[in-house]
Amino acid sequence: AQSVTQLGSHVSVSEGALVLLRCNYSSSVPPYLFWYVQYPNQGLQLLLKYTSAATLVKGINGFEAEFKKSETSFHLTKPSAHMSDAAEYFCAVGGGSNYKLTFGKGTLLTVNP
Amino acid sequence: NAGVTQTPKFQVLKTGQSMTLQCAQDMNHNSMYWYRQDPGMGLRLIYYSASEGTTDKGEVPNGYNVSRLNKREFSLRLESAAPSQTSVYFCASSGGDRYYGYTFGSGTRLTVV
Repeated sequence: AQSVTQLGSHVSVSEGALVLLRCNYSSSVPPYLFWYVQYPNQGLQLLLKYTSAATLVKGINGFEAEFKKSETSFHLTKPSAHMSDAAEYFCAVGGGSNYKLTFGKGTLLTVNP
Repeated sequence: NAGVTQTPKFQVLKTGQSMTLQCAQDMNHNSMYWYRQDPGMGLRLIYYSASEGTTDKGEVPNGYNVSRLNKREFSLRLESAAPSQTSVYFCASSGGDRYYGYTFGSGTRLTVV
């Protein structure tokens, strides 16, 4: 069984500030992990993924995430927030022999000018 | 562009009416999924199809049926719509390898009055 917990349903930052969105997972098999972004009234787009290669993963739009097995975490960061980063972000975990992902409940990121 | 196409984009139904949400992908993916998205609830899996000819229940299947018509198409049917089914519905597909993640459609916004 797998699960994902995203800490903080809403995160607010100032433009230019560090973005940190937290994701903790639970998995009985070696996990592979994803971050998706959803802009208003759109579908979800893949931001980045961890697939057991490098533990520090770089994605689109300057985002990156670090897989920490000891902490069962996969937190998403960006050094400097931009107004265009305002969106909802979802962490997801997969693993085992099937392709099905389990999603967290999402974190809404607001960027203030 | 290759991807997942959902129709319709918007729909208003009266309680008790039926309708089918259509989903098609052109990436030759084996697996397809239907999710619903509600505020504060994240994405909840309704049904999925691991491969052509198979379907399985997800987290919230009650009130829905699905058909995997062929490898490309996966439809979701509401036989007797209820206000509790007011939601945004997303179709997704995955394939190639399990590290691919999902490709999502742009969603169907359904209101049941």
